[in-house]
Amino acid sequence: DAKTTQPPSMDCAEGRAANLPCNHSTISGNEYVYWYRQIHSQGPQYIIHGLKNNETNEMASLIITEDRKSSTLILPHATLRDTAVYYCIVRGQAGTALIFGKGTTLSVSS
Amino acid sequence: NAGVMQNPRHLVRRRGQEARLRCSPMKGHSHVYWYRQLPEEGLKFMVYLQKENIIDESGMPKERFSAEFPKEGPSILRIQQVVRGDSAAYFCASSPNTGTEQYFGPGTRLTVT
Repeated sequence: DAKTTQPPSMDCAEGRAANLPCNHSTISGNEYVYWYRQIHSQGPQYIIHGLKNNETNEMASLIITEDRKSSTLILPHATLRDTAVYYCIVRGQAGTALIFGKGTTLSVSS
Repeated sequence: NAGVMQNPRHLVRRRGQEARLRCSPMKGHSHVYWYRQLPEEGLKFMVYLQKENIIDESGMPKERFSAEFPKEGPSILRIQQVVRGDSAAYFCASSPNTGTEQYFGPGTRLTVT
């Protein structure tokens, strides 16, 4: 699975959009981009995933560049409860394990 | 639909004892994964099981650790003769198929005294 690079930390004001970037320049054609988050010491929470098209669900939007070398997770209206570590993971369709990096610590403040 | 369930949530063992961690996957999920998170470290994959089969145990320590997912009942992660370095949060995840999104349980916090 391809390696990902994320900024170690980001800040966001409550109510504003949080845009979390991820670089995955070595991604292969059949690899998906997954996003998870871990709030404090809880179990990781699945957010969204995509292959090449932009995706949106009730939690977030995922924007993948046309060359698929980077992506952005968008939380449209961040709340204090969105404070967490966010992980961007690239994984093949037949992949089993999720390989977690250090992620981005998002701090949402009022 | 209940989520992934893990028990116990907290487990204290003395050095040399055995620890048994249980994981009940989401309804309809037949794939189970175990991960470990050491204090101040990231999540590390340990083992992937389907019903009655170990598919990938590349992340499991070679000694003292074992896992099973029987035909009936929860998946079990077993740690024999625990040492202080085994103190960690152990998370279980499940998925309906291989390669799809995994849903995590709340974890078991193991403390070895």
